[in-house]
Amino acid sequence: AQTIHQWPVAEIKAVGSPLSLGCTIKGKSSPNLYWYWQATGGTLQQLFYSITVGQVESVVQLNLSASRPKDDQFILSTEKLLLSHSGFYLCAWTGDSGNTLYFGEGSRLIVV
Amino acid sequence: AQSVTQPDARVTVSEGASLQLRCKYSYSATPYLFWYVQYPRQGLQLLLKYYSGDPVVQGVNSFEAEFSKSNSSFHLQKASVHWSDSAVYFCALSPTNSAGNKLTFGIGTRVLVRP
Repeated sequence: AQTIHQWPVAEIKAVGSPLSLGCTIKGKSSPNLYWYWQATGGTLQQLFYSITVGQVESVVQLNLSASRPKDDQFILSTEKLLLSHSGFYLCAWTGDSGNTLYFGEGSRLIVV
Repeated sequence: AQSVTQPDARVTVSEGASLQLRCKYSYSATPYLFWYVQYPRQGLQLLLKYYSGDPVVQGVNSFEAEFSKSNSSFHLQKASVHWSDSAVYFCALSPTNSAGNKLTFGIGTRVLVRP
């Protein structure tokens, strides 16, 4: 069975500080991977997706970047956090059908 | 352009009562449709999905949804809710000719089940 793990579970960071969030999927080779952002009480906004190692497509520019250094790993980062970056970040992958998203448990970020 | 509308931001029901959550979509053809549930401080879990065929789809935890092409709807139902069903429910749409990178979510409906 496939498992998806996100880290850290939660972070409190200062404005202007760097950020790195990670996502690892096990049990699925060459998955399509996605980053979503969810404001508190809000809907989900897709940020990035990747269909292969070293390739990332940006969907929404929020002064964030993403990288896929390994087949099973997806990293979300920024050099300088903004207050508006606060929220819940979700990593997801698509199954064999390519249409159904399966989500990780998320990383909660509070920027102060 | 595609869109998903969940007209009810909040729904409160008593334990044991039935529940219906509404979802309307806008898309030029028949899309793939999904319902996800999000429990507090957790990620989203897939409840059910519709690709084609029987318009009534059974999901986990006794949830079901009915697709209606004429009404452009995909309403979620449960005959008898439990307090543990309190959560936020998201309806989502994906075009049939794309992978998950084109998934569009509704704003979610927060469900509170009173004991």
